[in-house]
Amino acid sequence: GAVVSQHPSRVICKSGTSVKIECRSLDFQATTMFWYRQFPKKSLMLMATSNEGSKATYEQGVEKDKFLINHASLTLSTLTVTSAHPEDSSFYICSAVNRGRYGYTFGSGTRLTVV
Amino acid sequence: KQEVTQIPAALSVPEGENLVLNCSFTDSAIYNLQWFRQDPGKGLTSLLLIQSSQREQTSGRLNASLDKSSGRSTLYIAASQPGDSATYLCAVWASGSARQLTFGSGTQLTVLP
Repeated sequence: GAVVSQHPSRVICKSGTSVKIECRSLDFQATTMFWYRQFPKKSLMLMATSNEGSKATYEQGVEKDKFLINHASLTLSTLTVTSAHPEDSSFYICSAVNRGRYGYTFGSGTRLTVV
Repeated sequence: KQEVTQIPAALSVPEGENLVLNCSFTDSAIYNLQWFRQDPGKGLTSLLLIQSSQREQTSGRLNASLDKSSGRSTLYIAASQPGDSATYLCAVWASGSARQLTFGSGTQLTVLP
């Protein structure tokens, strides 16, 4: 139980375009989801906390207009990287908390490459 | 601000060895502690979740302990196998409603056949 599905796993886009990443909790409801960014050989950096039905809470230094987060239902949160630039290339991972014994469950991650 | 440190940063051992990975945190007022495994280019797989009221959890060849008062957790891996090679991350759950995770920088484990 407690599966989080993240899509796409890989995406390559042109500079200036927007990319949407989806994060779904498959067998539980998640009122809160989290979005992380990971640089090569580094640990995860929390970008924002996604709250169902309300605005996301962004960490200091994360641009709200660049990284749009929508959490429209109890099982789906999306991260849209707008007007992507090569420096946005990174590994993005979402997670959700299951109130049972599974703790935090993470998606499989999305490798974004902006060319 | 919570800080999580993992030692060693990298570890290479021959197959069959027992090993210990260390995690320390600065603020003992935590909700839970969770150990994850990450394979290259992949997401995180949860290994063990230790609630703040517990002192250890076991799953197969893995055993994790938690000492809140000293701000330490250890992950013990018995009879290591090449398939155990991965990065192991320790994450602390903050107390309070946010329940945010603070990650250590990880230990990169290589088990040599």
